Amino acid sequence: GQSLEQPSEVTAVEGAIVQINCTYQTSGFYGLSWYQQHDGGAPTFLSYNALDGLEETGRFSSFLSRSDSYGYLLLQELQMKDSASYFCAPAGSYQLTFGKGTKLSVIP
Amino acid sequence: ETGVTQSPTHLIKTRGQQVTLRCSSQSGHNTVSWYQQALGQGPQFIFQYYREEENGRGNFPPRFSGLQFPNYSSELNVNALELDDSALYLCASSLTGTSSDTQYFGPGTRLTVL
Repeated sequence: GQSLEQPSEVTAVEGAIVQINCTYQTSGFYGLSWYQQHDGGAPTFLSYNALDGLEETGRFSSFLSRSDSYGYLLLQELQMKDSASYFCAPAGSYQLTFGKGTKLSVIP
Repeated sequence: ETGVTQSPTHLIKTRGQQVTLRCSSQSGHNTVSWYQQALGQGPQFIFQYYREEENGRGNFPPRFSGLQFPNYSSELNVNALELDDSALYLCASSLTGTSSDTQYFGPGTRLTVL
């Protein structure tokens, strides 16, 4: 069967670093995407890992270990605007599978 | 802004009615995917259209159907509406529809079924 796990909520202080973990079990796995969604907004693409290792894009980094069916999103130098829901989404041949997401609250 | 537009923004229907939601893809994108997002949940894949053909379908009943037009705009039709169909409906366009392709989401249509 398919499963996707990530923490439901995380709270962190402005300027700090936070890591959001994701474990997955899906069929036909091609890669792992991460999306950000602010309340009332649409999901926006953050990163995609097709291969094992770390991908860095500005303050955000994403990691994938295919053998462990595990990935994480690392957010550095947190800003208040980073308060949002973050979804890991394993990619199949054509579709993304989203879990319930992690609600990140950044506090002063 | 992603360049993906959806209409209407909000819609209220009653149980048993039919609804059509519309999506205009980002310029140059020939693939559109539709997702349903219930409150507090992540988006759930409904189906994908590539060059006017259904390319894949999630775990949704046949009363959810779609169309993609030659200009790559798209419609989602839902028949015999149920209360549980109340959700945010998102469309996402991508360049080729492959898994590595970034999906650009529209702002969504909020459907309320009474």
